[in-house]
Amino acid sequence: KAGVTQTPRYLIKTRGQQVTLSCSPISGHRSVSWYQQTPGQGLQFLFEYFSETQRNKGNFPGRFSGRQFSNSRSEMNVSTLELGDSALYLCASSPGTTTGELFFGEGSRLTVL
Amino acid sequence: AQSVTQLGSHVSVSEGALVLLRCNYSSSVPPYLFWYVQYPNQGLQLLLKYTSAATLVKGINGFEAEFKKSETSFHLTKPSAHMSDAAEYFCAVSDPGTNAGKSTFGDGTTLTVKP
Repeated sequence: KAGVTQTPRYLIKTRGQQVTLSCSPISGHRSVSWYQQTPGQGLQFLFEYFSETQRNKGNFPGRFSGRQFSNSRSEMNVSTLELGDSALYLCASSPGTTTGELFFGEGSRLTVL
Repeated sequence: AQSVTQLGSHVSVSEGALVLLRCNYSSSVPPYLFWYVQYPNQGLQLLLKYTSAATLVKGINGFEAEFKKSETSFHLTKPSAHMSDAAEYFCAVSDPGTNAGKSTFGDGTTLTVKP
C-alpha cells in the first residue's frame, strides 16, 4: 500500500507570494490533517478535512486555507507569504475512525525569502 | 484543552543502554496517546499508541510505553539502544471521536546514541 505522498518536497518563494501544497493520502483514508513544523514552535495543527469537510481547525490566520477533494486528496494554500511561514508542512492521513493515529508524508519544506 | 510535556529536549545514551524518554499529558477526557519518531528530513512514523486497552503498549523496533493514569504519564522505553535509534521522538495526545485527526504534540526529544 502506497504511503502518504506530498508534493512538492522543496520550494522557495518570496514574501507576498502564495503557495499551494498537495497531499495524496493512503488509499482508503478519508481524513487528512495538516501540520506546520518549525524549530521554534514545534508541530502545530493547521486543519483536518474529513469527507471534503473541514472537521477541525487550528489557530492560524486566514491566510492558511485548505480543501479536500472527493478522492480524499488535499491541498493547502498559504497566501501573502511571510518570512515566518518558512517551515516543514506535514500532511497526515488516517482512516477517519476514532483511533487517532496519523500516517505522515515526508513533508513539503517551504522557504520564504 | 490537551497538552503534552516531554521532559528533556535532548537525551544521550550509550549503545546497549536503556532508553527512557519521558512524556506527561494533560487531558480532560480519557486520552489517546502516541509516540512518533522522526528521522532527519522525513515525516513522522508511529511507534506505538495507547487507546484505552492494555496499559503496557508494545510498538515497533523494540519500544514500549506504559500508560499511568495516576501519574498522567506515558514514558517510552527500550531496553537496549541501537545506533539506528538516533532520531527525534514526539509524544502526542488526541481526544477520541471527532477530534481524532487533531493531535497535540510535545516539543520533541532528540535521542543521541553513542558508540
